[in-house]
Amino acid sequence: QQPVQSPQAVILREGEDAVINCSSSKALYSVHWYRQKHGEAPVFLMILLKGGEQKGHEKISASFNEKKQQSSLYLTASQLSYSGTYFCGTERTGANNLFFGTGTRLTVIP
Amino acid sequence: NAGVTQTPKFRVLKTGQSMTLLCAQDMNHEYMYWYRQDPGMGLRLIHYSVGEGTTAKGEVPDGYNVSRLKKQNFLLGLESAAPSQTSVYFCASTPARRSSEAFFGQGTRLTVV
Repeated sequence: QQPVQSPQAVILREGEDAVINCSSSKALYSVHWYRQKHGEAPVFLMILLKGGEQKGHEKISASFNEKKQQSSLYLTASQLSYSGTYFCGTERTGANNLFFGTGTRLTVIP
Repeated sequence: NAGVTQTPKFRVLKTGQSMTLLCAQDMNHEYMYWYRQDPGMGLRLIHYSVGEGTTAKGEVPDGYNVSRLKKQNFLLGLESAAPSQTSVYFCASTPARRSSEAFFGQGTRLTVV
C-alpha cells in the first residue's frame, strides 16, 4: 500500500531543478509532501486534493494527476536548504489512513 | 504549544523485553498514527486511530499493540521485543477533517539487542 517514489536519490548543484515522482496503485483522495532533515521529524510542505490542482510553496510546487494516481514535486533553482529526504504521503479514497513512500534523498551541493 | 511529544527519545532493550512508547498531542486532533522508519524503506504505518477508543492496523502491525484510552494519547506497545524492531518510531496526528497537515513528534530511536 506504500506509494512508490522515484528517484531514490538525486544530487543537484545550487540553482538546478529537480522533479520527484510519487505513484500509487490505489485510487487516491489526496497527496501530501513532506521534507525531513537528518535526525529530525518530517515537516509538512503541501497537500494536493484530487482534481489535478497544482500548488506552490516558494520555489517548490507540485501537481496531482488523479487519473494516473501520480503526483510530482518540482524544485526549481534549488538552494542548499532544500537538502533532505522528501516523502509523499497518500490518502486513499474511502480510507482514513496516511501511507508514506520510501523517500527521495535530495542533496544540494555548492 | 508543545504539539506532538514522544516519550522516550532513546531506548535500548534486550530481546524479549517489553516497553511502551507514549505519544501525546495537545492540538485536540482526532487522528493519530504510529510509523516506523528504517533505511531505504521510508515511513511505514504500524497502527492508527481515528478517535478515542478506536484503533486499526496499518501495513506492519505484527509484534505491536496500541491503545487510545484518552484522545490526547496514543500508546505503542512491544510485548516481546525483537532485533527486527530496531528502528526510529514516529508518531503523528491530524485533525478529523480529511487531507489535513500531519504533525509529527521528534521520534524515538529504539535499539533491540
